[in-house]
Amino acid sequence: DAGITQSPRHKVTETGTPVTLRCHQTENHRYMYWYRQDPGHGLRLIHYSYGVKDTDKGEVSDGYSVSRSKTEDFLLTLESATSSQTSVYFCAISGRGGYGYTFGSGTRLTVV
Amino acid sequence: AQTVTQSQPEMSVQEAETVTLSCTYDTSESDYYLFWYKQPPSRQMILVIRQEAYKQQNATENRFSVNFQKAAKSFSLKISDSQLGDAEMYFCAYTTGNQFYFGTGTSLTVIP
Repeated sequence: DAGITQSPRHKVTETGTPVTLRCHQTENHRYMYWYRQDPGHGLRLIHYSYGVKDTDKGEVSDGYSVSRSKTEDFLLTLESATSSQTSVYFCAISGRGGYGYTFGSGTRLTVV
Repeated sequence: AQTVTQSQPEMSVQEAETVTLSCTYDTSESDYYLFWYKQPPSRQMILVIRQEAYKQQNATENRFSVNFQKAAKSFSLKISDSQLGDAEMYFCAYTTGNQFYFGTGTSLTVIP
């Protein structure tokens, strides 16, 4: 979907290094989310934002931080990457929840 | 706590036949929304169909329809006239507003 982009698409990093993933939207949606997807677990919410500088934790937030300084950008940071954070990360945006999410294309992160 | 359960990790269907994917959810809310998303190998999740809990009529989108049983907290997806392009992962999701909860997914195989 052209309204939401994630970068990078793929990344390999070493254990202990910081990593930042970016989500950019052009839809001016209020809500933005970061999920991770792992086999057998579906999608699990890491953090979400309900406005500029307004963020909250999801069910798997340990080891992750987020920032949203502009409506269009939502950054996910792994302060010190671990192998357990190897996953596919999805960003999603929502204007009104009842109408569903729009997802980004995902970032495949491998921590070695 | 809200949970979404997809009890069928894998399903298969003959091309042109009909298949039903199961989803149950747990909630104490009366007003909510339910969704089915599909995920192709390219990874971006795409909305298939949406149901509002206060509507008794089952949603339909072309070959995709749902069987929504509110009392039973069941929300199954029926795919009619299955096509090879329907072979993807399907996720059921629930929301009362802006935080979504996802099932673990069902992988659909379409047999030519």
